[in-house]
Amino acid sequence: DAKTTQPPSMDCAEGRAANLPCNHSTISGNEYVYWYRQIHSQGPQYIIHGLKNNETNEMASLIITEDRKSSTLILPHATLRDTAVYYCIVIPSQFGGATNKLIFGTGTLLAVQP
Amino acid sequence: EAEVAQSPRYKITEKSQAVAFWCDPISGHATLYWYRQILGQGPELLVQFQDESVVDDSQLPKDRFSAERLKGVDSTLKIQPAELGDSAMYLCASSLAGAAQETQYFGPGTRLLVL
Repeated sequence: DAKTTQPPSMDCAEGRAANLPCNHSTISGNEYVYWYRQIHSQGPQYIIHGLKNNETNEMASLIITEDRKSSTLILPHATLRDTAVYYCIVIPSQFGGATNKLIFGTGTLLAVQP
Repeated sequence: EAEVAQSPRYKITEKSQAVAFWCDPISGHATLYWYRQILGQGPELLVQFQDESVVDDSQLPKDRFSAERLKGVDSTLKIQPAELGDSAMYLCASSLAGAAQETQYFGPGTRLLVL
């Protein structure tokens, strides 16, 4: 499974966009990029996922570089409630024959400042 | 919105005692996962069930940990005897069918402290 690298922490001002980077230089063609977040003392929460194309939903946008070696999660207008640890995870596609086990790293602690 | 339920939320026990955690997944979800999260680290999968069958327990310390999902619905994770190093958050998650691109939905977790 491809390994991901994320900065340990980031700050963001409330109301501004938060851009969280993730490096996955060993990703293979059939692996998806997933983002989960974990607010303090809660279970992780799914945010978004993508394969090649950029994706957007009501929570965030996911930008994947053309070579797929890195991605950026964008929270367009961060609020104090977005303070959490954000995990970038690479998961093989179903055709790879693997289970959908999530392998978490240590993530990025995003602190949204008032 | 349907949620994964876990109990208890907090548990304090002494080493060598037995502890048990309970999880009720989202209704209709065939796949259930137990993760352990040590403070400062990401969650680590302990065991994955598909209905009542175990499909992955490679990281479960089987000398002291056991998990069951007898009727393919709710599940219990047991530790006997508990050790100091078992202090952690125990998270339960569920997904619809266990396919590779399914979202996993997590419960609030049980925080265990072993004294």
